[in-house]
Amino acid sequence: DAKTTQPPSMDCAEGRAANLPCNHSTISGNEYVYWYRQIHSQGPQYIIHGLKNNETNEMASLIITEDRKSSTLILPHATLRDTAVYYCIVRVVRGAQKLVFGQGTRLTINP
Amino acid sequence: SAVISQKPSRDICQRGTSLTIQCQVDSQVTMMFWYRQQPGQSLTLIATANQGSEATYESGFVIDKFPISRPNLTFSTLTVSNMSPEDSSIYLCSTDRAEAFFGQGTRLTVV
Repeated sequence: DAKTTQPPSMDCAEGRAANLPCNHSTISGNEYVYWYRQIHSQGPQYIIHGLKNNETNEMASLIITEDRKSSTLILPHATLRDTAVYYCIVRVVRGAQKLVFGQGTRLTINP
Repeated sequence: SAVISQKPSRDICQRGTSLTIQCQVDSQVTMMFWYRQQPGQSLTLIATANQGSEATYESGFVIDKFPISRPNLTFSTLTVSNMSPEDSSIYLCSTDRAEAFFGQGTRLTVV
């Protein structure tokens, strides 16, 4: 079973920041938080991952709470092409490294 | 980052037949993972393929139905055997890299 919970859907206006929450209250100390997105039946696209520090790359920022029980993915300036299903996953980087997908959040960017 | 190529990208098959899906990675990886995504659903892990050993199957998936080969560190195949319409899904492969990139998937329709 997935160890994360996400809202099933969210809407955001184009050009605004999209903030996608994720709860992972049972995360273990060696598990990272990963975010992927899937745009209509394409393969999932890796976005970002982090352990406990906030992370930023060219696609997004990841904010992880100090207790690591929740995180937020931030798309700073959402565009229509960011409409997708976003998956938050916790994963051990070494050893059994499979990804267990939940149902994700369907993010719709509105013009 | 690893580039993953899957073949075929899509196929329509008759029930009772088998289809072999290929997954090629552009660099060596220890583990490869095969997922299934049924229409409108999230991704479900089928099995983990390690080079030189038998694949490890998740609950609900068996080797007779989904035989997997892993002849070297850059290649794997998944066969969907004795297909029925319920096998109509997108099949995806991924790797154990930190960013765990995915192939674009194989869209299988069984008629």
